[in-house]
Amino acid sequence: DVKVTQSSRYLVKRTGEKVFLECVQDMDHENMFWYRQDPGLGLRLIYFSYDVKMKEKGDIPEGYSVSREKKERFSLILESASTNQTSMYLCASSLRADSPTYEQYFGPGTRLTVT
Amino acid sequence: AQTVTQSQPEMSVQEAETVTLSCTYDTSESDYYLFWYKQPPSRQMILVIRQEAYKQQNATENRFSVNFQKAAKSFSLKISDSQLGDAAMYFCAYRRAGGGADGLTFGKGTHLIIQP
Repeated sequence: DVKVTQSSRYLVKRTGEKVFLECVQDMDHENMFWYRQDPGLGLRLIYFSYDVKMKEKGDIPEGYSVSREKKERFSLILESASTNQTSMYLCASSLRADSPTYEQYFGPGTRLTVT
Repeated sequence: AQTVTQSQPEMSVQEAETVTLSCTYDTSESDYYLFWYKQPPSRQMILVIRQEAYKQQNATENRFSVNFQKAAKSFSLKISDSQLGDAAMYFCAYRRAGGGADGLTFGKGTHLIIQP
């Protein structure tokens, strides 16, 4: 079974803090993704990575950065947290996009509250 | 840019009945994938069913089936014999085909309530 884990289920941070959200997958997937989930808005793509040290901006990258130093780990960084970044953050991973069984596997999510 | 629309924020169905969740999408691509994901309360998002646009046959997975109408850009999910465990948020998602990494474009979700 594919397993995607996220470092915290719940996190409370103060405005201006630097925040790290960690994601680890154990299936040797090439692609990893960070989404943000807000009620009434669905999931929106923040960043994704298709290889170690490679990253691409998604639909809402402003205020975020990412790091992928190892294939199994993908970190989302909030350089200076703001209250409008209070949200549920979901990590996902997948095989290469041209794989016949392409699908994304999701982690349990991190509910971040910025006060 | 691709968009995915789920016009039903919430649906309710009696246990053992059938329910259909709607999804429409907009794309200029001819080849793509469509997905339905399920997110139970406080639990992980899981894939329910997948449809490749080049396949005319509608996908089915046990009690779950889709009605894929490519010309109409419609991709509805039918759940037969609804069970209490089907209660969840359901998200329709789109991804273009081809190589390279690409994220999913999601609809806003439909909250499905199962009445016992």
